[in-house]
Amino acid sequence: AQSVAQPEDQVNVAEGNPLTVKCTYSVSGNPYLFWYVQYPNRGLQFLLKYITGDNLVKGSYGFEAEFNKSQTSFHLKKPSALVSDSALYFCAVRDISGGYQKVTFGTGTKLQVIP
Amino acid sequence: NAGVTQTPKFQVLKTGQSMTLQCAQDMNHEYMSWYRQDPGMGLRLIHYSVGAGITDQGEVPNGYNVSRSTTEDFPLRLLSAAPSQTSVYFCASSRERGGYEQYFGPGTRLTVT
Repeated sequence: AQSVAQPEDQVNVAEGNPLTVKCTYSVSGNPYLFWYVQYPNRGLQFLLKYITGDNLVKGSYGFEAEFNKSQTSFHLKKPSALVSDSALYFCAVRDISGGYQKVTFGTGTKLQVIP
Repeated sequence: NAGVTQTPKFQVLKTGQSMTLQCAQDMNHEYMSWYRQDPGMGLRLIHYSVGAGITDQGEVPNGYNVSRSTTEDFPLRLLSAAPSQTSVYFCASSRERGGYEQYFGPGTRLTVT
């Protein structure tokens, strides 16, 4: 079975400071990893993904994430937080090995950027 | 492109009633899925489909049915609504080769009394 953990329910950061939202995963094969953002009363929007290749992936709105296979982590980062980054962030994993097709989401982390 | 559309946006049902949540996408995506979102529990997969005529169960399939007769449509049927099915439901689609990231609809907020 595959799983995703987002250990922080909420992260508070001052505007202009760097931010990190943590994600760890567990799969039996090779993971495809994703980050999504959800604004209030909206559907989820895709931010970035790791499929293969460079461990550092860049995505929308200046976000990036680093795939660390040894630590089974895929933390979301941004060098300088904006108030408009305040939202709910979800990490997700899909184990493609053997044709496994289910996507598992974490419980979400609320990011609050303080002006 | 309209992307992923869901209807209705809001629905109130009485216990025991049945209904169908509609989902459609115009991106010719092979993969479609239904999730429910509950506070503190993230998104949980109900059912998914990897193509027309092919569906499978997710984590929480009980009380829900799906079918996929076309690439575009993936309706979710609640057979006999229960208060435990009060939730926000999201439909999503993705391309299977070279993509995999999911595009989400705006959601349906369902209340069962």
